Order: sequence, then structure tokens, then C-alpha cells
Amino acid sequence: EAGVAQSPRYKIIEKRQSVAFWCNPISGHATLYWYQQILGQGPKLLIQFQNNGVVDDSQLPKDRFSAERLKGVDSTLKIQPAKLEDSAVYLCASSLDLRSPFFGPGTRLTVL
Amino acid sequence: AQSVTQLGSHVSVSEGALVLLRCNYSSSVPPYLFWYVQYPNQGLQLLLKYTTGATLVKGINGFEAEFKKSETSFHLTKPSAHMSDAAEYFCAVSLDSNYQLIWGAGTKLIIKP
Repeated sequence: EAGVAQSPRYKIIEKRQSVAFWCNPISGHATLYWYQQILGQGPKLLIQFQNNGVVDDSQLPKDRFSAERLKGVDSTLKIQPAKLEDSAVYLCASSLDLRSPFFGPGTRLTVL
Repeated sequence: AQSVTQLGSHVSVSEGALVLLRCNYSSSVPPYLFWYVQYPNQGLQLLLKYTTGATLVKGINGFEAEFKKSETSFHLTKPSAHMSDAAEYFCAVSLDSNYQLIWGAGTKLIIKP
């Protein structure tokens, strides 16, 4: 079974630039999550999709972050404009049973 | 509010020694409990989970954890540490009401040769 795919794996940008991350979940997983993991901390949920609908985006900084999940499969997370404090690893995860997500390798973002 | 506390941001053990990583949670309802492992530059991998039933849960790579309701704990153990166990370990709790995972801050396990 293929795992959760993410790209790119690494990204370095200047502050105020834009960036987008892509995620392809495990086939058949209706639930998709985006997490932000700052160095030394546990993951923080940014947004949760059920199929292509948003279940929870209460911690998504909506003035600069946006996410979509077209056709209930792939998802894209965008940051525009980026701030220094957005430097983190962005993890995509998917799950079948809503309780134990499977994680992708993450995208390490560095904002200079 | 629900929370997860992992005691010790770093734990160092010798190869072959017992591994004990501590996790305590606060919850007003019976939780689902998880341990994830994160190797350098990789995503999180599920080690084991407790949902209902037997309180001693066995996971991958020889790890196990015991749910102790009276102590609100879910400590992770392994009888004999291997060098390959060096990683960061995260405890997480999911409540029945909303399924959202609440994460601990993580414990970095260091294995000394």
C-alpha cells in the first residue's frame, strides 16, 4: 500500500513570498489533515477535510493560509505571504477511521 | 481543557537497557491513546494505540504501552533498547466527542552505545 505523498520535501523562501505544498493521501482515505510542526513541538492541526469538505480549520491563520481538496483526493496548502514564524515542517496525513492518521514525510519550510 | 504531558524532553538510555517514556493526560471522558515515532527528516509513524479492551497494548518494533485509568497514564516501554530506536516519540489523545488528536510535546530518545 502506497503511503501519503508530499512535495516538495524542502523549500526555502524569503518572507512575504508565497509557497504551496501538495499532498496525495492514501487511496480510499476520506479524511485528510494538514499539520504544522515547529521544531521541538508536537504537531498542530491546521485543517481537517472529510472528502472535500472542511471539518475543522479553527487553527488555520486564514489571513495568510489557505487549503483546498479538489475532488476529495489531493490537497494543496498555500501560504501567502509567508512570515518568519511560518518556518516549520508541514505534515499531511490521512485516515480511514478518523482516529489514527497516517503521515507523509513532510515538507520542511524555511522562511528567511 | 484536555492536555497531554510527556515527562522529559530528552531521555537517554544505554543500548540493551529498558526504555520508559512517560505520558500523562487530562480528560474528563475515556480517551483513545496513541504513541507515534518520528525518525529524523521523516513523518510520524504509528507505534501503537489503545481504544478499548485490554489495557496492555503491543506495538511495532517491540514497544508496548499500558493504559492506567487511575493514574491517567499511558507510558511507553521496551525491554531492551536498540540503536535504531533513537528517534522522537509523541503521545497523543483523541476524545470521543471530536476525534481531534491532542499532542504531547515529544520526547527525544537517545541511545548510548
